[in-house]
Amino acid sequence: ELKVEQNPLFLSMQEGKNYTIYCNYSTTSDRLYWYRQDPGKSLESLFVLLSNGAVKQEGRLMASLDTKARLSTLHITAAVHDLSATYFCAVDLGNTDKLIFGTGTRLQVFP
Amino acid sequence: DAGVTQSPTHLIKTRGQQVTLRCSPKSGHDTVSWYQQALGQGPQFIFQYYEEEERQRGNFPDRFSGHQFPNYSSELNVNALLLGDSALYLCASSLTGGQPQHFGDGTRLSIL
Repeated sequence: ELKVEQNPLFLSMQEGKNYTIYCNYSTTSDRLYWYRQDPGKSLESLFVLLSNGAVKQEGRLMASLDTKARLSTLHITAAVHDLSATYFCAVDLGNTDKLIFGTGTRLQVFP
Repeated sequence: DAGVTQSPTHLIKTRGQQVTLRCSPKSGHDTVSWYQQALGQGPQFIFQYYEEEERQRGNFPDRFSGHQFPNYSSELNVNALLLGDSALYLCASSLTGGQPQHFGDGTRLSIL
């Protein structure tokens, strides 16, 4: 059974600082997604990573994928308050559009 | 271009009742997946519909059933509701082949 683990589960960081969220998964997959969820809201797609070594960047967020290590990272550069949200990674089991989500990382950015 | 739309937005039911949730996919998408998100947890895959057939299913009991119509819209039915069924139910649509799934705003189901 595929398991997807994120750490940390909760991250409180000061504006302007950098940090990385880790996503580990237990079986082979070439498709990994990052989503953002604001309280009471739905999921917003951030990144699609489709191959080993893939790196995508959007603003202050950068995601990467290492399929051999079964690891994805979401790096936050110079955090701002607007980035406060819960971030989920999700692995596509068997490349079938069946997403297995991680536990989520709740990010709070304070002044 | 409308995204994924779900109805209703909120629903309150009592134990033992039955509920039907509805989803219209994003224009051009042919696959609909349903997820259950309990408070403070990540979404869990319920099942997926493609070409009006259930293509995949997660670890949910038979009380959870669904349907996809020729226009690609979908319904999620839950029978014999339990308190533990209280959650946000998310519908996602996609085109197969590695494209991200687009999520609706969800239906928040509360069981009393």
